[in-house]
Amino acid sequence: EADIYQTPRYLVIGTGKKITLECSQTMGHDKMYWYQQDPGMELHLIHYSYGVNSTEKGDLSSESTVSRIRTEHFPLTLESARPSHTSQYLCASSERGNTQYFGPGTRLTVL
Amino acid sequence: AQSVTQLGSHVSVSEGALVLLRCNYSSSVPPYLFWYVQYPNQGLQLLLKYTSAATLVKGINGFEAEFKKSETSFHLTKPSAHMSDAAEYFCAVSALYSGAGSYQLTFGKGTKLSVIP
Repeated sequence: EADIYQTPRYLVIGTGKKITLECSQTMGHDKMYWYQQDPGMELHLIHYSYGVNSTEKGDLSSESTVSRIRTEHFPLTLESARPSHTSQYLCASSERGNTQYFGPGTRLTVL
Repeated sequence: AQSVTQLGSHVSVSEGALVLLRCNYSSSVPPYLFWYVQYPNQGLQLLLKYTSAATLVKGINGFEAEFKKSETSFHLTKPSAHMSDAAEYFCAVSALYSGAGSYQLTFGKGTKLSVIP
């Protein structure tokens, strides 16, 4: 069973606020990912990391940024939230293989 | 490049009936294939995966999927639906990205399964 945690689970915030979505995993996985999920749509990869101090942008352009200072921690930051950022954000991690394990997600609403 | 097509955004079955969720993929390299399930307000949970060891893959909760290369399909089945199976199901294909050796997943749009009592 995968142990990957995301906080907060739900967040409602006003336009222009800075927010950080937290993701932590206790499995020691090198690789971590952030996906954006909208209703009726496929998951889109927005960021990924191969390990500490490694971050890359994914297929879907995003105004968010990420950091990877510790293996277990992969936070996502939005400097100035906008209504277009309203979505569900899913964090995942994987070992050397290709199976990804997902956290419970953060549902973000920007008013 | 790879892609996934899930036929039917919404499938309804009666409790006890066969569940069949369709997934077709395209991949320029031999694929790894996955089915994930997502319950309301939760993340994705791995149901099963195909990694070329056997074409018929058994997963959790009584689900299985068969890899058919000639049809580029990886359909998910369960002989008898249970009310607890109501959820959204995502098919995904993975390919190896060179460099750091990272696998990345491409997802279908999902199929929402409803189970009618």
